Amino acid sequence: GAVVSQHPSWVICKSGTSVKIECRSLDFQATTMFWYRQFPKQSLMLMATSNEGSKATYEQGVEKDKFLINHASLTLSTLTVTSAHPEDSSFYICSPPPAGTSSYNEQFFGPGTRLTVL
Amino acid sequence: AQTVTQSQPEMSVQEAETVTLSCTYDTSESDYYLFWYKQPPSRQMILVIRQEAYKQQNATENRFSVNFQKAAKSFSLKISDSQLGDAAMYFCAYRINTGTASKLTFGTGTRLQVTL
Repeated sequence: GAVVSQHPSWVICKSGTSVKIECRSLDFQATTMFWYRQFPKQSLMLMATSNEGSKATYEQGVEKDKFLINHASLTLSTLTVTSAHPEDSSFYICSPPPAGTSSYNEQFFGPGTRLTVL
Repeated sequence: AQTVTQSQPEMSVQEAETVTLSCTYDTSESDYYLFWYKQPPSRQMILVIRQEAYKQQNATENRFSVNFQKAAKSFSLKISDSQLGDAAMYFCAYRINTGTASKLTFGTGTRLQVTL
């Protein structure tokens, strides 16, 4: 299956600072990447979809200026949480779409990044 | 909008026993796919089983099987011969068949405990 890595796996930052989370596809090229946020004991909520060579698509209610998403290459997508606040503390997961042309194909997920904002 | 509901926040099962996790969904689409994902304490999402909506036959994967009732929009997961390693959060998920870029919509999750 597709191998996806995220860095860092855990980050603690002070309120008001910015944090960048990297998502890399290790054995395939991804023109699209889904970014999810998961609060403690809650489900995964899609935040945005990054697209290589074009602007990201954000879900309703997600602040574009706060969560900057960039798809720099076919193997790297990044999420930057700008001016982070304690309420941004969460688990962030990236996931490429299923390979091939079928929505039935398996969608793989990165291992996630735990963000704690003090 | 599509919604996925898991009415059981927590479930418990004894080792070697069978447990069923419930999932219902709401959609006006006829062509879609359903999935069950497992999230163990490591928080890595793992696909457990999937079902194509146009197939009446229920999917099975070793100890895991589903009961898919399309008319009732129900998609329950049965775990047989439960093992300690099955302890995890289980998420039901839905995707419309509009290509690979269509998004997965997840349910609220069910935390499964497996006891000795």
